[in-house]
Amino acid sequence: EPEVTQTPSHQVTQMGQEVILRCVPISNHLYFYWYRQILGQKVEFLVSFYNNEISEKSEIFDDQFSVERPDGSNFTLKIRSTKLEDSAMYFCASTLGQGARGYTFGSGTRLTVV
Amino acid sequence: AQKITQTQPGMFVQEKEAVTLDCTYDTSDQSYGLFWYKQPSSGEMIFLIYQGSYDEQNATEGRYSLNFQKARKSANLVISASQLGDSAMYFCAPWGTTDSWGKLQFGAGTQVVVTP
Repeated sequence: EPEVTQTPSHQVTQMGQEVILRCVPISNHLYFYWYRQILGQKVEFLVSFYNNEISEKSEIFDDQFSVERPDGSNFTLKIRSTKLEDSAMYFCASTLGQGARGYTFGSGTRLTVV
Repeated sequence: AQKITQTQPGMFVQEKEAVTLDCTYDTSDQSYGLFWYKQPSSGEMIFLIYQGSYDEQNATEGRYSLNFQKARKSANLVISASQLGDSAMYFCAPWGTTDSWGKLQFGAGTQVVVTP
């Protein structure tokens, strides 16, 4: 069964450093998402991406965050200058269309900012 | 943001028993869907079940079934014959409402612990 692959599974970074989280969505999917889950809290939407541009972003997704799909297969989330409060699990997801079925999550990257 | 309520922060259930996890949501939309996801301690989000608001029959996927009551804006997950591996966090997420168009918005979750 096709999967959404996220790397690394765990990343530790120093406060103020830039970090890039990588995702390989399912190959024929067209819509891509990042979600965040701070430890012990609910999963929160960050951003959706379609046709090489952001289609929607939440208030969490400020200027420190950016996304891109540099090569047609990878989908990345960059945090420019990490803060302690960026420590969370970050999930990538993808879907073929805006239809609900086939909404697939990756296994997540646990980001720890020290 | 859409209001999604999972009133049970935690539940204990004995192995082989059934458990019902509550989820209510706020929407004025008529056409939308509802997901349930499982998150074990390893952290990944596992799709369990989905139902659209106009589906006539309640969805079932193996031991999981949805008790979807559109008028009450409620979509409870029923896990039958609980197993130890069902111990996890469970999240409901409306999809396709005005507030959740094109994305999932999750409830706070219910922690289920299955005991022998």
